[in-house]
Formats: sequence, structure tokens, C-alpha cells
Amino acid sequence: QSALTQPRSVSGSPGQSVTISCTGTSSDVGGYDLVSWYRHHPGKAPEVMIYDVTKRASGVPDRFSGSKSGNTASLTISGLQAEDEADYYCCSYAGRYSFVVFGGGTQLTVL
Amino acid sequence: QVQLVESGGGVVQPGTSLRLSCAASRFTFSNYGMHWVRQAPGKGLEWVALISYDGSDNYYADSVKGRFTISRDNSKNTLYLQMNSLRPEDTAVYYCAKGGGTYFFPLDPWGQGTLVTVSS
Repeated sequence: QSALTQPRSVSGSPGQSVTISCTGTSSDVGGYDLVSWYRHHPGKAPEVMIYDVTKRASGVPDRFSGSKSGNTASLTISGLQAEDEADYYCCSYAGRYSFVVFGGGTQLTVL
Repeated sequence: QVQLVESGGGVVQPGTSLRLSCAASRFTFSNYGMHWVRQAPGKGLEWVALISYDGSDNYYADSVKGRFTISRDNSKNTLYLQMNSLRPEDTAVYYCAKGGGTYFFPLDPWGQGTLVTVSS
């Protein structure tokens, strides 16, 4: 059950766009369209932003979008806002033996 | 709005046991699979366990297999995590989360978490 690979940190200025990558294998990210992305503000409950690779969760603005190519999924946040500053985690179904695998997390800093 | 409230965390010594609870409300608990996920201090999220809607299927991370047991009482709308043979590396905030419709994805929503500290 190896964790999915994410950059440890990304940053951008307000109004800019950032993309967070999430690299796995053909046994998880590449094998199923069951990648989801979670935003986590420290001390609060994580919340789903994107699920099934591209679908926005209820109430999530369209500034957030998801995609996948091969074994790598991506979360793009456009029009960065201060409240976007948080930790972001990707997550994928990994088959009936490993079931769920998370990425290591990416800290987003809004400059 | 769906609500999940974890409880049962605390400070325990290595080798001992602890049972966490997750009280669910404002949705039909018996229709959904449920997850436990943890976050160790300074670390990322780590999936721990999953139970199907009726408790007939359970899945575990390798790091807890054989030591932790996930269960549920649908009559009480409550999810449990029995943690035995606790180790210092089990120190973490433990979250419960409701599973979605396809292979229990996505995890939505999550509770606020309960802190477990394993230390002598």
C-alpha cells in the first residue's frame, strides 16, 4: 500500500492558477476512475472537493477542476483565493486488497 | 446536514487497547459503508479501515491488520474502531467518514476527529 506521490508544496498569488499532481500506478490511479481530492485546513474536518476524477462536490466552486492522464491525476485551482490555502490530498481506489490509498499531501500557499 | 461525531480518544500506554466510536446522524446510516482515516502528527492522511453498510465486509490497511477491528451497530447509528496492541506509531487524530456509492467513494463527509496518543 504505497502512498500516491504528490508535491510537498505549491504556491501561487491571488488570481493565479496552480496544479497539484498525484502519481500512482495502474493498480490505483490509472486503473479506476475513482480519484478524489480533499482539502484539509488544520484542526478541521477534511472535505471532498473533487470525486470520480472530474466531478465537483456539492458547493465547490468551478475554480476547482480535476483530470487524469494515465497514472497521474491532477487538481487545478484557478483564480486563487486566500481561503484556498490548505493541505490537499488525493485519494484513489486501489482494488479489493489495498482498497484505499492517499497521497502524501500538498501544502498550498497563497502568496 | 449529515453529522459524524467521533469520541473515545485519549492517552494510553503501548500494548493496551482503546475503542473509538463515531455517532452518525441525519442520514440513513445502515445504507452506507463507513471509513476510518487517521493523521499522525506532522504527517498526511492514512486510510485505516472500511466496513460495508451491513458489516459483512471489512477492509484494513496493512499497518493495522490483525490489531484493529472495525464494526458497526446500525440500531445505534454508531461506527466503532477497536484498537488492540497499540503502538506509539498509532498516535494520530482518527476521523470517521461516510463512504459514497461506488466502492465506498468518495469519503464525504468527515467528522472532526478524536486524538489518540500512545505513550509510556
